[in-house]
Amino acid sequence: DAGVIQSPRHEVTEMGQEVTLRCKPISGHDYLFWYRQTMMRGLELLIYFNNNVPIDDSGMPEDRFSAKMPNASFSTLKIQPSEPRDSAVYFCASSPRVVAGNTIYFGEGSWLTVV
Amino acid sequence: GEDVEQSLFLSVREGDSSVINCTYTDSSSTYLYWYKQEPGAGLQLLTYIFSNMDMKQDQRLTVLLNKKDKHLSLRIADTQTGDSAIYFCAESMTGNTGKLIFGQGTTLQVKP
Repeated sequence: DAGVIQSPRHEVTEMGQEVTLRCKPISGHDYLFWYRQTMMRGLELLIYFNNNVPIDDSGMPEDRFSAKMPNASFSTLKIQPSEPRDSAVYFCASSPRVVAGNTIYFGEGSWLTVV
Repeated sequence: GEDVEQSLFLSVREGDSSVINCTYTDSSSTYLYWYKQEPGAGLQLLTYIFSNMDMKQDQRLTVLLNKKDKHLSLRIADTQTGDSAIYFCAESMTGNTGKLIFGQGTTLQVKP
């Protein structure tokens, strides 16, 4: 399997622009997670989906952030409008099921810089 | 709320043992995990331990769990320069929701 695939790998955008990050989870995985990593706050869970349905979005910072999962093989995380404090690495991850020894598989991350 | 804490930095010499420590707050956590992140990459699962276990060994890795003190440690024997990375401790949320809470990560520096 190709693993969790994220795009773009790197993005530099100007403040106020819309940013869309994309994720393709591992085929057959029921859970999809979006995490954000910064030096100051470490790794934060933003939102996660189960069978394409958002389960917990309590980590989404504010209304400028939105996430969708229109089907089992695709998810997006959108920031509109973007701000410099959104600069971070955004990780998508997926998991086959939630049972004993749950393993979350991470993508390589999307490195976002907002100037 | 749930919280996982780790020391931020550890430096060891090649060939020594490394011990990375972690404390967590959710006493009902069912599983605890160690992930490794190499520069520019995502997180990779190293090992995990079920909460009713005290110890788990996997080649050079030994995980110790003190459930009473809510303390988890990862010992890497014969540390190599390739072990230089950030190591994250994580706990699973109660109720098997699929959600993991991560610590802030410990940067391990291995000097030749």
